[in-house]
Amino acid sequence: AQTVTQSQPEMSVQEAETVTLSCTYDTSESNYYLFWYKQPPSRQMILVIRQEAYKQQNATENRFSVNFQKAAKSFSLKISDSQLGDTAMYFCAFMKTSGNTPLVFGKGTRLSVIA
Amino acid sequence: GAVVSQHPSRVICKSGTSVKIECRSLDFQATTMFWYRQFPKKSLMLMATSNEGSKATYEQGVEKDKFLINHASLTLSTLTVTSAHPEDSSFYICSARDPVGGGHNQPQHFGDGTRLSIL
Repeated sequence: AQTVTQSQPEMSVQEAETVTLSCTYDTSESNYYLFWYKQPPSRQMILVIRQEAYKQQNATENRFSVNFQKAAKSFSLKISDSQLGDTAMYFCAFMKTSGNTPLVFGKGTRLSVIA
Repeated sequence: GAVVSQHPSRVICKSGTSVKIECRSLDFQATTMFWYRQFPKKSLMLMATSNEGSKATYEQGVEKDKFLINHASLTLSTLTVTSAHPEDSSFYICSARDPVGGGHNQPQHFGDGTRLSIL
């Protein structure tokens, strides 16, 4: 079975600063996908960024980038130039490539961006 | 893009009532949908996998007689919380992936969730 661990229950960052959220996972699969989802107070699940395990290049989406270390099974999220609207719960998630399988989520990190 | 619609968004009802939550894929066919439950300030916990035309697969510890799942068409899955009690109060959210239009690496598309409160 796959597990996803987010070791930071809460974090805070000053507006315009950079913050990194940690995520590690455990799997015996060789091919899989990793995701970061944002859940604001509205509780919508918003996809922030995704990474295919077979790709060595780290994914980036505007102010969001990941540091994917496959051997270490680490998948951290870096948010640059933090904005007040980035305040939310952030979930790291794993998905196998084979079959139509569900996401496995970490426990989440509550990020507060402070003005 | 692919959208999943979940209805209702909010339900408040008395103990003993059965509540049905609908999850629809609006512009794609979803042979499989997933139902999650989320307690306040906690993560999403998979409850069951809903399969079109067959029985749902429930995760360990989830009562299948309490949480009835029906996936009668390729665009609709329903979750019925039978004889709901206050401990069933939670946030329920569904998801589906577009396996054809989205490609194999597309993420799950989530509904907006249902906040269920049992008095």
